[in-house]
Amino acid sequence: QVQLVESGGGVVPPGGSLRLSCAASGFNFSSYGMHWVRQAPGKGPEWVAFIRFDGIKNFYADSVKGRFTISRDNSKNTLSLQMNSLRGEDTAVYYCAKMTPQLNMDVWGKGTTVTVSS
Amino acid sequence: EIVLTQSPATLSLSPGERANLSCRASQSVSNYLAWYQQKPGQAPRLLIYDASNRATGIPARFSGSGSGTDFTLTISSLEPEDFVFYYCQQRSNWPLTFGGGTKVEIK
Repeated sequence: QVQLVESGGGVVPPGGSLRLSCAASGFNFSSYGMHWVRQAPGKGPEWVAFIRFDGIKNFYADSVKGRFTISRDNSKNTLSLQMNSLRGEDTAVYYCAKMTPQLNMDVWGKGTTVTVSS
Repeated sequence: EIVLTQSPATLSLSPGERANLSCRASQSVSNYLAWYQQKPGQAPRLLIYDASNRATGIPARFSGSGSGTDFTLTISSLEPEDFVFYYCQQRSNWPLTFGGGTKVEIK
């Protein structure tokens, strides 16, 4: 079945770095754009980044632009999010999600938790 | 960026009642609006895309309407499992944005 599994979350001090991964299975990963979406405790979802199916084009939320980098390896069915210069407001559950033809998100992982704290 | 404002923040209703949830955009998003449902401890689930199209496997009691800046998610007859959170999301412009959410609770 279609599945996304995130990993790489943890506790990191402010200013630190973390790399999240998302392993995809059950669908043709290289044919779909992918999103990262985060959700801070008690808050609604916040879209973070998008990468096109071929990795050529990507977009970022203003809150992470210049600090986060989305990438993908279609040979390994893996999506990544490199997070640098982390701040307290980056504390959240991070989800990867598969893009629909309408740019929405129809398949989500269970998420990985990132906590930025000293 | 386009700001989505959802109202009410909390909707108190009884099972079997009809729910109308509102999402208003700060500028026109045409019909490029989606609705998601989120249960506690789970990821959001896509319900409606492009304002009025039900996603795969979504029950017929969920429907969406609207265009431009004003949108409505309607649940025709609330089931016990529907008392959770709902979010709207626009894809008209980058960055993609979500609304602040509506919690549907049991009265």
